[in-house]
Amino acid sequence: EAGVAQSPRYKIIEKRQSVAFWCNPISGHATLYWYQQILGQGPKLLIQFQNNGVVDDSQLPKDRFSAERLKGVDSTLKIQPAKLEDSAVYLCASSSRLDGEQYFGPGTRLTVT
Amino acid sequence: GEDVEQSLFLSVREGDSSVINCTYTDSSSTYLYWYKQEPGAGLQLLTYIFSNMDMKQDQRLTVLLNKKDKHLSLRIADTQTGDSAIYFCAESYSGGGADGLTFGKGTHLIIQP
Repeated sequence: EAGVAQSPRYKIIEKRQSVAFWCNPISGHATLYWYQQILGQGPKLLIQFQNNGVVDDSQLPKDRFSAERLKGVDSTLKIQPAKLEDSAVYLCASSSRLDGEQYFGPGTRLTVT
Repeated sequence: GEDVEQSLFLSVREGDSSVINCTYTDSSSTYLYWYKQEPGAGLQLLTYIFSNMDMKQDQRLTVLLNKKDKHLSLRIADTQTGDSAIYFCAESYSGGGADGLTFGKGTHLIIQP
């Protein structure tokens, strides 16, 4: 079974630029999560989708971050405009109700200069 | 609010047991997890425990939960060099893939030869 795929793996941008990350969850997983992991910290949940609906986006900085999961499968996370403090690894995870485990992708490492 | 605390570093000798500790503040946490993160890799679920349990054993791993003190520990028996990683404690309210996770900052496990 293929795992959670993310791209790109690395991205370097200048502040005030825009960036987008892509996630393809495990086939059949209805729930998808985006986490932000700043260096030296644990992951922090940004947004959770159930199919194509948002379940929790309480910690998403909505003035600059947006995410969508239009067809209930792939998801994109966008930052516009980026700030220096957005430098982090962005992790995507997915889960199904059958076993409940959240499976994490390898992450996208964003560096904002 | 929710908070999960862990010590940042633990150094053990190869072959000894490692005990990684975690405290949490949310008394409504129902599921408690231990994740492993190796350099450049995503998060891997090691084990989890329901809040109505006080112990769970899985091969070399033993999880102990003291719900009264909101204290969780992970014991790794016969620690090997391959166990070198960052270990994250995490909690959720409903588990089963229904909730995002709240993570601690992670404990770096360092193995001495």
